[in-house]
Amino acid sequence: NAGVTQTPKFRVLKTGQSMTLLCAQDMNHEYMYWYRQDPGMGLRLIHYSVGEGTTAKGEVPDGYNVSRLKKQNFLLGLESAAPSQTSVYFCASRTRGGLGTDTQYFGPGTRLTVL
Amino acid sequence: SQQGEEDPQALSIQEGENATMNCSYKTSINNLQWYRQNSGRGLVHLILIRSNEREKHSGRLRVTLDTSKKSSSLLITASRAADTASYFCATDFNNDMRFGAGTRLTVKP
Repeated sequence: NAGVTQTPKFRVLKTGQSMTLLCAQDMNHEYMYWYRQDPGMGLRLIHYSVGEGTTAKGEVPDGYNVSRLKKQNFLLGLESAAPSQTSVYFCASRTRGGLGTDTQYFGPGTRLTVL
Repeated sequence: SQQGEEDPQALSIQEGENATMNCSYKTSINNLQWYRQNSGRGLVHLILIRSNEREKHSGRLRVTLDTSKKSSSLLITASRAADTASYFCATDFNNDMRFGAGTRLTVKP
């Protein structure tokens, strides 16, 4: 199993450009998450999904959109990139166990720079 | 704002010593988790403790949870140079995960 994969690994955008980050998991997990990590900080939750066709906002959702059309994929979109969105983006997934029973598996991250 | 706050921000010890990191949080939780991150890599789950548990062990790791004080600690015993990494606590409440800023642990050989 590949676990959680992210595409691309690196990307440089100009202000105002758009892009989509792809997260894929092959563990049949119901829950998927997108986080951003800024230098010297922990992860902040952007959006998450508890199942195919459903999404919800996290702590810092502004400027991002997401879609979960297939159970194994979770897409993060930036419609008009801003320098403040320069960050490392991590995707994660987990199974739908009872509350408090399941842990998250993380992808390797996407390093995004917005000039 | 981030939920968990780790203390200390940085910790440097010699190989063989124990390392203790603390995490404080502000709201209710279903569980609290500790993760490790090597430089430039994704996070790796270490251990999860439920809100009704007080202590948990996994190999050289020991986690405690005090819900009355809204705090947790991670103890790594007999540290190794390979334990050098950043360690994060994360609180989970109804699928809303909040991470702290982390403790940077350096273990000198």
